[in-house]
Amino acid sequence: ETGVTQTPRHLVMGMTNKKSLKCEQHLGHNAMYWYKQSAKKPLELMFVYNFKEQTENNSVPSRFSPECPNSSHLFLHLHTLQPEDSALYLCASSRGRYNEKLFFGSGTQLSVL
Amino acid sequence: TQLLEQSPQFLSIQEGENLTVYCNSSSVFSSLQWYRQEPGEGPVLLVTVVTGGEVKKLKRLTFQFGDARKDSSLHITAAQTGDTGLYLCAGAFPVVGGAQKLVFGQGTRLTINP
Repeated sequence: ETGVTQTPRHLVMGMTNKKSLKCEQHLGHNAMYWYKQSAKKPLELMFVYNFKEQTENNSVPSRFSPECPNSSHLFLHLHTLQPEDSALYLCASSRGRYNEKLFFGSGTQLSVL
Repeated sequence: TQLLEQSPQFLSIQEGENLTVYCNSSSVFSSLQWYRQEPGEGPVLLVTVVTGGEVKKLKRLTFQFGDARKDSSLHITAAQTGDTGLYLCAGAFPVVGGAQKLVFGQGTRLTINP
C-alpha cells in the first residue's frame, strides 16, 4: 500500500464514450502527477499539479482533460479516445519539492475499443 | 529532447551472477532516481542520487551517479530470484511553479533464473 489509490483498476471504453479516472492520495502531499505507460514506450509524463495548480502539460491531446480540485484528489477525464490511447495510466504524488521520490498508485489499465 | 537511454532492455541471468544496468543521457539532471516495478503495480523507489560521483548501496544493489550528473548505473551482486522485475531509471528536472518533471528510461526487464 503506497498511500495512493487509483480507481478503477481496469476500464474498457469505446471511442465515443466519456469516462473519468480517479486518484486519491492519503500522504499529505502537495504535488500530483499523471503518467502513461505503454507497452513499447517509456513512462510518459502527462501532467503535473502543485498545490492544485497545473505546472506541466507535456503536449497532451485535448481528449485528456485533467482536474485537480484539491491536493489530495486528481482526475483524468477521457473523451473520444483512440485505440492507441490504450495503456496503463499511473497517478503519483510527492511533497512537491525537487528531487523528491514519487509515490505511485497501482494504475488504471485502459483499453479503448 | 530529454531522453534517457537505458540498457540492456532485457536481461536474463542465473541466480548468483552479477549484473549492471546503465542509464545514459545527454542532459544534466538535478537528481536521478531508480525504481522497481512489479506486474500490476506502480513503480516503487529504490534510491535517489543527487551529487555527481555519488555511490549508494542498498544491500546487494549499488547505484552510482556519473560525475557530470548525466548517467547512472545499477549493479546487482549475487542476483537472487527475488530481484526479478522491471527496473526504471528516471532523471529529475525542476518545474516552474514547483514540483519536478521526472523523465523515465525505457526500463530493464530483469529475469533471474534459479
